Amino acid sequence: SQELEQSPQSLIVQEGKNLTINCTSSKTLYGLYWYKQKYGEGLIFLMMLQKGGEEKSHEKITAKLDEKKQQSSLHITASQPSHAGIYLCGADDGYALNFGKGTSLLVTP
Amino acid sequence: GAVVSQHPSWVICKSGTSVKIECRSLDFQATTMFWYRQFPKQSLMLMATSNEGSKATYEQGVEKDKFLINHASLTLSTLTVTSAHPEDSSFYICSARETGNYEQYFGPGTRLTVT
Repeated sequence: SQELEQSPQSLIVQEGKNLTINCTSSKTLYGLYWYKQKYGEGLIFLMMLQKGGEEKSHEKITAKLDEKKQQSSLHITASQPSHAGIYLCGADDGYALNFGKGTSLLVTP
Repeated sequence: GAVVSQHPSWVICKSGTSVKIECRSLDFQATTMFWYRQFPKQSLMLMATSNEGSKATYEQGVEKDKFLINHASLTLSTLTVTSAHPEDSSFYICSARETGNYEQYFGPGTRLTVT
C-alpha cells in the first residue's frame, strides 16, 4: 500500500512568517490532494496535483509536485491565524485516498 | 461545488446499542462512497468503500459485521455501528466520488461517543 510521510508533524510560526509542509510518498503519485482540517471538523479541499512539476496557488498557499511525482510541498506565505489547523496530504491510488498523518499548524500573534 | 452532508453531526449512545450514520451527496450522483475513521490527533483511515447496489469492500482489520454499510441509492450511503463499544468512539467521515469524475468530496464528519 502507498504510504505518505508528512513533515513536520507540528509547526508553530509567528504571524507573517512563511512556512513549508512536505509530503513524501513511498510510490509514484498519480493524484496528490491537500486538505485542511480543523480538529473534529470536515476536510476543506485546497488543491489537487497530478502532473510532475505541477504547481498551483490559491491566495497565499502554493502547492508543488516534484518532477518524479513522489514528493509534494505546501507553502504558505505571510501566515495568518486563519491558516491554523491540520494539513493533510492524500494520495489517490485509483481506488481511494490514503492520507498522511497530518501537520498541525499554529500561528501565533 | 459538490456538497456532501452527514447526519447526525454528533451522537452519543450507550454501549451495546447501534448507531446509524448517513452520508448524502446533495447535488450529484455518487456511484462510490468511502467511509473513513479518525481517532484524536491521528489521520484518516479508510474503513470501507461503498458501491451503489453492491456489497461494500472493507479494508483489512475492519469488521464487516460490526460496521454495516449500505449504499442503496446513488445519493445515500449509511454506516451502522452495531453493538457499539467505547473503543468505537471516533470521528467518522464519508466522501463521495461523482459518477464519471475523479475527485472525492468529503462530508463534514460525525462524532460518535459511546458511553
